[in-house]
Amino acid sequence: GQQVMQIPQYQHVQEGEDFTTYCNSSTTLSNIQWYKQRPGGHPVFLIQLVKSGEVKKQKRLTFQFGEAKKNSSLHITATQTTDVGTYFCAGPSGGYQKVTFGTGTKLQVI
Amino acid sequence: KAGVTQTPRYLIKTRGQQVTLSCSPISGHRSVSWYQQTPGQGLQFLFEYFSETQRNKGNFPGRFSGRQFSNSRSEMNVSTLELGDSALYLCASSDSYGAYEQYFGPGTRLTVT
Repeated sequence: GQQVMQIPQYQHVQEGEDFTTYCNSSTTLSNIQWYKQRPGGHPVFLIQLVKSGEVKKQKRLTFQFGEAKKNSSLHITATQTTDVGTYFCAGPSGGYQKVTFGTGTKLQVI
Repeated sequence: KAGVTQTPRYLIKTRGQQVTLSCSPISGHRSVSWYQQTPGQGLQFLFEYFSETQRNKGNFPGRFSGRQFSNSRSEMNVSTLELGDSALYLCASSDSYGAYEQYFGPGTRLTVT
């Protein structure tokens, strides 16, 4: 079945440093979503990318969808303590609406 | 609009028992999905319902079942609980079938002893 891997698994950064997490799918994705889960919380939808090579920005967050639609990245500029949490990518697999979540990247800002 | 609600928030059960979890989606949302989250396996898709019909199912044993009512509320049932079923069970709703933007509830933390 489809696998969605994220790297790194964990990342510790000093406040003010940049952070990037990468998402790689074993199959081509029609679209990809990104979610953030704060410690003790639930995943919160951040954004959806649909087009090949698409880049979207939300304040300090930049999301990119690869040209081949098999990978994606999330870049945070000048991290803040409010950025702490686990970031997941997610994409449809197999049947319509069936979603596979990535393994997640846990960000700690120190 | 009120968010997705799940009840109960915490549950402790014994091996062999069964459990029913409830999820009320955002008003107007007709699609409800269930996920199991564990430290070792991450977020895994259980099943998805739309208009009272199961549209997709993940790779979980038949002990895991669900249903959706006409008001879009959904329940998930796990029978013959095993220790490995201890997890955070998350429900997510979306406003239409095929919409991948999902809104998650706070989850039910199930502990099996």
